[in-house]
Amino acid sequence: SYVLTQPPSVSVAPGQTASITCGGDNIGSKNVHWYQQKPGQAPVLVVYDDSDRPSEIPERFSGSTSRSTATLTISRVEAGDEADYYCQVWDSSSDVVFGGGTKLTVL
Amino acid sequence: QVHLQESGPGLVKPSETLSLTCAVSGYSISSGYYWGWIRQPPGKGLEWIGSMSHSGGTYHNPSLKSRVTISVDTSTNRFSLKVSSVTAADTAFYYCARDARHTGSYYFGRWGQGTLVTVSS
Repeated sequence: SYVLTQPPSVSVAPGQTASITCGGDNIGSKNVHWYQQKPGQAPVLVVYDDSDRPSEIPERFSGSTSRSTATLTISRVEAGDEADYYCQVWDSSSDVVFGGGTKLTVL
Repeated sequence: QVHLQESGPGLVKPSETLSLTCAVSGYSISSGYYWGWIRQPPGKGLEWIGSMSHSGGTYHNPSLKSRVTISVDTSTNRFSLKVSSVTAADTAFYYCARDARHTGSYYFGRWGQGTLVTVSS
């Protein structure tokens, strides 16, 4: 089965840039999607197809991929960005796969 | 604006069948998309359960496939999940969501608020 690996936690000061990574075998060949989940709430799609953004998501959220790593970048981080972030792909052997999640802490 | 809302018992006994329904408003299920279920044990990560289209196309998580049934009712604009032979490991928040796999991009653009199901005697 396909595995996505995320760091358990990332910390960043307000106003700085946060980078959350997602590793997987040849992930660059897959479409990567990212979700934000605040405490007690359902996940919200923030980036789809590697780097596209739903219309309601601020431009501060962006995505990119390389051959082995996908990255969610949050610019000018705000206190309200504190949440868990999950990457997700589709794989031919596993269908939908989620990463383990990364807790973003705004210092 | 598409809105999804889960409903069903919050407590299920071990070995019994968990049943949930998702009501969709603001969009007709028969217009397209797939409709899926994702779960999240308290304090843990997300796990996809399965997705189904209005025309019957169905996909399941291989690890759960033998216990899962997903159905769609276009007359009521709802879709449902059944998980049989539940154990404590099935205790989780259950989310329904709209699955965009028909486009070739397998993401979930709209989610319900989620409902907690506890398996306990």
